[in-house]
Amino acid sequence: GAVVSQHPSRVICKSGTSVKIECRSLDFQATTMFWYRQFPKQSLMLMATSNEGSKATYEQGVEKDKFLINHASLTLSTLTVTSAHPEDSSFYICSARRAFQRGGNNEQFFGPGTRLTVL
Amino acid sequence: AQRVTQPEKLLSVFKGAPVELKCNYSYSGSPELFWYVQYSRQRLQLLLRHISRESIKGFTADLNKGETSFHLKKPFAQEEDSAMYYCALRGGANNLFFGTGTRLTVIP
Repeated sequence: GAVVSQHPSRVICKSGTSVKIECRSLDFQATTMFWYRQFPKQSLMLMATSNEGSKATYEQGVEKDKFLINHASLTLSTLTVTSAHPEDSSFYICSARRAFQRGGNNEQFFGPGTRLTVL
Repeated sequence: AQRVTQPEKLLSVFKGAPVELKCNYSYSGSPELFWYVQYSRQRLQLLLRHISRESIKGFTADLNKGETSFHLKKPFAQEEDSAMYYCALRGGANNLFFGTGTRLTVIP
């Protein structure tokens, strides 16, 4: 099966610093990657969609200058939380999908998530 | 705009009893509906999709366009079914939108 990894699994940082989270598709090429955010006891909220080699598409209300997404290769996407503040503390989950095929298997595979705590 | 509603945050059933997790959606086009499951300390994974019309781990879900529902059902719950279940919709932008989830607990 397709495996998606995230690194780090847990990070604690001081307010004002930047944190980078990596998402990798280990055994397939992901033309599209998604970044979600999950607050405690709430659902996953899509933050942005990134296609390899192009700019990410951000959902309404998500600051693109705060959450920098880079999808430079078919197996790696990064999310950088810039100038992090305590309200950015959350569980960040990435997901990867192969090239979209109408009628094909367009399953999204999820990473294990990264818990960010900003002090 | 799309919306996925799971009215029950928590659901407890006894082992061997039938279980139904409710999901209603709102979408103007033809949606794709999915059920995802997250077992304790594991990542989110696909359980089933309406297109496949399959039974996975004894679970089935039928898309009812008239009622805009995609309820997940299993006739006899097992302890290993205890998990968090998310209903999700994929719309025209090919993005997944999730419901708030239902935590199912199967009581031995």
